[in-house]
Amino acid sequence: GQQLNQSPQSMFIQEGEDVSMNCTSSSIFNTWLWYKQDPGEGPVLLIALYKAGELTSNGRLTAQFGITRKDSFLNISASIPSDVGIYFCAGPNAGNNRKLIWGLGTSLGVNP
Amino acid sequence: DTEVTQTPKHLVMGMTNKKSLKCEQHMGHRAMYWYKQKAKKPPELMFVYSYEKLSINESVPSRFSPECPNSSLLNLHLHALQPEDSALYLCASSLGQGPLTDTQYFGPGTRLTVL
Repeated sequence: GQQLNQSPQSMFIQEGEDVSMNCTSSSIFNTWLWYKQDPGEGPVLLIALYKAGELTSNGRLTAQFGITRKDSFLNISASIPSDVGIYFCAGPNAGNNRKLIWGLGTSLGVNP
Repeated sequence: DTEVTQTPKHLVMGMTNKKSLKCEQHMGHRAMYWYKQKAKKPPELMFVYSYEKLSINESVPSRFSPECPNSSLLNLHLHALQPEDSALYLCASSLGQGPLTDTQYFGPGTRLTVL
């Protein structure tokens, strides 16, 4: 079945540094979603990508839909302490758009 | 406005109790979802409603019973739960009118503890 491989699993950086994380798959995805989750809260949608090659920004966040449709990356520039959390990538199952395939998440820590 | 609300925020129940979780959205979304999430894992899909009809049941035990009274509300009725059912329960919604309109927006979740 479809799987998403998300890396790195965790990272700890200094405030002000830039961060990059990515998701890859052996299957083609038609949509890539990036969510951030704080402890005890629900995932918050950061960026949604719908077209191969698409590059989209949301403040200090930038995400790209890979041209092969098998990967996506999320960059965070000039990190701040509130960037701490778990970042998940997700994409719709090829057989049913309402079933999301999830990466295992990237846990980000920021040292002030 | 992309807000999904959930009540209660926290719930503690015994294994013989009956309780309900509630979810509400006023975005005109026609697809609503229940997920279960364990710590440090991605959410696991439980149920999907489309236009108030159950369209997906991911082989969830019958002690979890979903209900969609109208297009804005989604309930999850709980009965005779086990301690391993303790988790964060998430509700989500999407516009539900085609592949590019199924982007899901999540509520803040209900933290459930079963004693």
